[in-house]
Amino acid sequence: SQKIEQNSEALNIQEGKTATLTCNYTNYSPAYLQWYRQDPGRGPVFLLLIRENEKEKRKERLKVTFDTTLKQSLFHITASQPADSATYLCALMNSGYSTLTFGKGTMLLVSP
Amino acid sequence: DGGITQSPKYLFRKEGQNVTLSCEQNLNHDAMYWYRQDPGQGLRLIYYSQIVNDFQKGDIAEGYSVSREKKESFPLTVTSAQKNPTAFYLCASSATGGSGNTIYFGEGSWLTVV
Repeated sequence: SQKIEQNSEALNIQEGKTATLTCNYTNYSPAYLQWYRQDPGRGPVFLLLIRENEKEKRKERLKVTFDTTLKQSLFHITASQPADSATYLCALMNSGYSTLTFGKGTMLLVSP
Repeated sequence: DGGITQSPKYLFRKEGQNVTLSCEQNLNHDAMYWYRQDPGQGLRLIYYSQIVNDFQKGDIAEGYSVSREKKESFPLTVTSAQKNPTAFYLCASSATGGSGNTIYFGEGSWLTVV
């Protein structure tokens, strides 16, 4: 069956460190993968998109990698800040489809 | 400001009632979506529409209905046939479906059955 797996346990890190979140998928052939940020009680906000033929994307303090052999994407936040505390969702667009499928998200807590 | 407006933010429904959640966008997007989010769960797709007067069922369409009479509007009706409707509902839109465009979300609507 198809699965998108993100660590269900919250990730606790100290301010200034790099946070790394993982998204693993099974039985998908993604055309691209997206990462979103969601704050409690709010709608998700788009952060980054990476396509199947791209290995890495960066945007300011954010970096996403995409390994289609390992079937995994890593999402990094460098020099993390307490304001980065939120739930981060990965989402896949399967090739030949027109809708995104979301993982359950991982909560990140950055302490001062 | 451009964006997606969902209303109401909080809604209470009695058993056996239908309720309609409103979603309006002024982004001139062709595609619109409804997702449901339960605690500890990811977003699950209820219905989506890629063009006016056309829509498709998502993964959990049973007990829900939609219409797309105007480009900017995509209301969701939660019918009495939906057995467990208490959830956070998110409306979203994108320029086109399936082409790598960013999905923009509204602020969500909380529905509680009382």
